[in-house]
Amino acid sequence: EAQVTQNPRYLITVTGKKLTVTCSQNMNHEYMSWYRQDPGLGLRQIYYSMNVEVTDKGDVPEGYKVSRKEKRNFPLILESPSPNQTSLYFCASSPRPTGVDTQYFGPGTRLTVL
Amino acid sequence: SQQGEEDPQALSIQEGENATMNCSYKTSINNLQWYRQNSGRGLVHLILIRSNEREKHSGRLRVTLDTSKKSSSLLITASRAADTASYFCATDKDSSYKLIFGSGTRLLVRP
Repeated sequence: EAQVTQNPRYLITVTGKKLTVTCSQNMNHEYMSWYRQDPGLGLRQIYYSMNVEVTDKGDVPEGYKVSRKEKRNFPLILESPSPNQTSLYFCASSPRPTGVDTQYFGPGTRLTVL
Repeated sequence: SQQGEEDPQALSIQEGENATMNCSYKTSINNLQWYRQNSGRGLVHLILIRSNEREKHSGRLRVTLDTSKKSSSLLITASRAADTASYFCATDKDSSYKLIFGSGTRLLVRP
């Protein structure tokens, strides 16, 4: 089944404790993105990747890192999480550039930073 | 920054009625997409309409785009309880690699 998977689905952590949210897609898509969703603000793009080893900042990259060492994986790294990073996070992939093609979203990761 | 703004923020209708949601944006675009999100879940793509298109249909969905008014509308005909969800428009504001989402319309379809 074609899908985007994220792990973990739920995470409660404390300020400053490094964490990684994994994202994997099995559709051989070149383009992948990370978004955060906050009440009243819709989804905001954190980072995106056009291919292996090619990444760029979205609208809200501060406090996040990403890497794309393999085509299928696009982990999101929070080196020192803070409470304002409490949010619902989505990974997405698409076969063509993000703005011109259907994006396939993962199920989401609900992160709480205490 | 938010490019798309949906209107209304919330909509409650009876099953069988039509639901219309609107999206306005500020700068020129190449494409506009609509997505649906069931409570707390991932988004599902509904329709993509290009800037040179004025209307597009997919099943019970009809999307229009008016680039002169920088607005789009999503019409769901003969709504069902299963259509209860949040609906978002998204535009490629600055580049084809970025997608800017609006804050969404919450639709409730009462059985």
